[in-house]
Amino acid sequence: SQQGEEDPQALSIQEGENATMNCSYKTSINNLQWYRQNSGRGLVHLILIRSNEREKHSGRLRVTLDTSKKSSSLLITASRAADTASYFCATDADSWGKLQFGAGTQVVVTP
Amino acid sequence: EAGVAQSPRYKIIEKRQSVAFWCNPISGHATLYWYQQILGQGPKLLIQFQNNGVVDDSQLPKDRFSAERLKGVDSTLKIQPAKLEDSAVYLCASSLVAGQTGQPQHFGDGTRLSIL
Repeated sequence: SQQGEEDPQALSIQEGENATMNCSYKTSINNLQWYRQNSGRGLVHLILIRSNEREKHSGRLRVTLDTSKKSSSLLITASRAADTASYFCATDADSWGKLQFGAGTQVVVTP
Repeated sequence: EAGVAQSPRYKIIEKRQSVAFWCNPISGHATLYWYQQILGQGPKLLIQFQNNGVVDDSQLPKDRFSAERLKGVDSTLKIQPAKLEDSAVYLCASSLVAGQTGQPQHFGDGTRLSIL
């Protein structure tokens, strides 16, 4: 079963706009990670936020975590066509680093 | 550093045939993962190795799937016999440290398996 569920399933925006996607999960976690997957390629790690953190930034990415609501959000600012990809949240809830992935949000950025 | 290498990139077989996938993780990475990704879904963990020992294979269909990681380096995942529902992308990933949370995983580009 998949722990994280992303919302929306798909998102279409224009270059320069911001893209926001959300992830909800069910159990307590050690940390939550976001990954990007371009069509036909493997997943690429974007950012990790630990359970005792509330917000984290990396370049144009901003991630928030609300453990009381068991939810996280990923914001991509000033989107570019190259940001077109599927984005997955993954929860790390055990002691071995096992990740459980959601179904992903498909983002299309048009020039 | 070189990334995670997987081969083949594509494989087409008929149901009931067997198939094998190979993965070479990033040099020095202790942990290796095999995932199955069905179209439109997120990756599902099949098996996790730390060095050459199995940490988690709870979602591996052991009647048809097997995996090994000899000498704690590269790994092979086998399906025998294949079923139509095995059509998916098989992703290999690795992470640096064994037995620790908070490790980013590094993925290969996967093997796309089609069952006819």
